Amino acid sequence: DADVTQTPRNRITKTGKRIMLECSQTKGHDRMYWYRQDPGLGLRLIYYSFDVKDINKGEISDGYSVSRQAQAKFSLSLESAIPNQTALYFCATAQAGGSYNEQFFGPGTRLTVL
Amino acid sequence: QQQVKQSPQSLIVQKGGISIINCAYENTAFDYFPWYQQFPGKGPALLIAIRPDVSEKKEGRFTISFNKSAKQFSLHIMDSQPGDSATYFCAASRGAQKLVFGQGTRLTINP
Repeated sequence: DADVTQTPRNRITKTGKRIMLECSQTKGHDRMYWYRQDPGLGLRLIYYSFDVKDINKGEISDGYSVSRQAQAKFSLSLESAIPNQTALYFCATAQAGGSYNEQFFGPGTRLTVL
Repeated sequence: QQQVKQSPQSLIVQKGGISIINCAYENTAFDYFPWYQQFPGKGPALLIAIRPDVSEKKEGRFTISFNKSAKQFSLHIMDSQPGDSATYFCAASRGAQKLVFGQGTRLTINP
């Protein structure tokens, strides 16, 4: 979805390196999410933010940190990357105030940690 | 802890056939059950969703069947086409709370 962009789209890094994945959105949504996708495990929530001053851990936050720089920007950092963080990472957004939680996903970042 | 269990992990269906993917959930407080479709190289996108006050919802060739007492819901794709080949995720949430996703099903429609 062109309204949610992720950079980089592909990244290969080495164990121990710090890496940042960035997400930007033009949908004007307040809520933003970071997921990782692994074969057979589906999409698992890493962190989520309901507004600029709100950051919440998801089910697999260990080894990750996030920063909500603005309503439109939400970054995911791996302070010291390890091989089992090799995965496909997705950013998603959702409108606040709705009754249900339709989320709009970016195109993903494929991360490989050697 | 997997609150939404999806099966099968992969599915191959002939063109024109019916594709069926099943999900089971544990949390009876869930009240929103969407299905997302993901094509290779793309992010998931909402396909169809249901609330537990109805037992079925149909949009074109796609139907969700919902069984509240069994805590199960399924996606049926009628007259399956090669363009339906994708990965499908079920999910569940309580109101506007965070979504919990199933493990995903890779669907292949053979021409």
